[in-house]
Amino acid sequence: ETGVTQTPRHLVMGMTNKKSLKCEQHLGHNAMYWYKQSAKKPLELMFVYNFKEQTENNSVPSRFSPECPNSSHLFLHLHTLQPEDSALYLCASSSTGAPFSNSPLHFGNGTRLTVT
Amino acid sequence: GESVGLHLPTLSVQEGDNSIINCAYSNSASDYFIWYKQESGKGPQFIIDIRSNMDKRQGQRVTVLLNKTVKHLSLQIAATQPGDSAVYFCAENVPYSSGAGSYQLTFGKGTKLSVIP
Repeated sequence: ETGVTQTPRHLVMGMTNKKSLKCEQHLGHNAMYWYKQSAKKPLELMFVYNFKEQTENNSVPSRFSPECPNSSHLFLHLHTLQPEDSALYLCASSSTGAPFSNSPLHFGNGTRLTVT
Repeated sequence: GESVGLHLPTLSVQEGDNSIINCAYSNSASDYFIWYKQESGKGPQFIIDIRSNMDKRQGQRVTVLLNKTVKHLSLQIAATQPGDSAVYFCAENVPYSSGAGSYQLTFGKGTKLSVIP
C-alpha cells in the first residue's frame, strides 16, 4: 500500500475515445502531481496542484486536462490522444506545497495507458 | 538545458555484495536530492534524501553521498539482496529562475540493478 492509489491500472483506448485517470492520496498531503513515464526517458512533470490550485502546467497538450476537486483527489481527463501518448502515467503527492519545496514525492503505481 | 544523468544504465552485483549507483548532476544551485527505487509494475518508491548542507546520510542498509565539488551523488546499498533488484533514479530539486523558493524536481533516466543469487 503506497498511500497513493491510482485507477485503472491498465487502460487501452482509441484515438477518438474519452477516458479519465483517477488518483487518490491517503497521506494528508497538500500537493498532487501528474507525471508521464515513457520508455528510456526520464520522468516528465505534467501538472502540479497545490491546495487544489493548479500551479504548474509543463507545456502539456490540451488533450490532457487535469482536475483537482480537493486535496485528496486528482483526475486526468484524456481525449483524442495520439499513439505517442502511450506511457505509464504516475500520480504523486507531497506534504508541502508546490512549486516544490524540499519534501519527497510519494508515487502511486501508475496507469499503463495504450493508445491504439 | 541542465539535467540529471547516470554514469551506468545497468549494474549487476552478487547477492551479499555492496552496490554503488552513481549519479551526476549539473545544476550547482540544486539544494535537495532524492533517490527512488522502482520495481517492475510499480511506481517509484522513496529511498533516501539529502540536502546540500550535508555530504552523507545513512538509512537502513543505504547510504547517500553527495560531493558538491564535482556535482556527484551516489547510493550505496549494503549486503545487496534479490529484493533490491529494481531501477534506481536520482532526482534533484532545481530552482526556477523566477519565483523565490520555487523548485522543480528533475529525474535522471535510471540505473537498472540486477542481483545475482
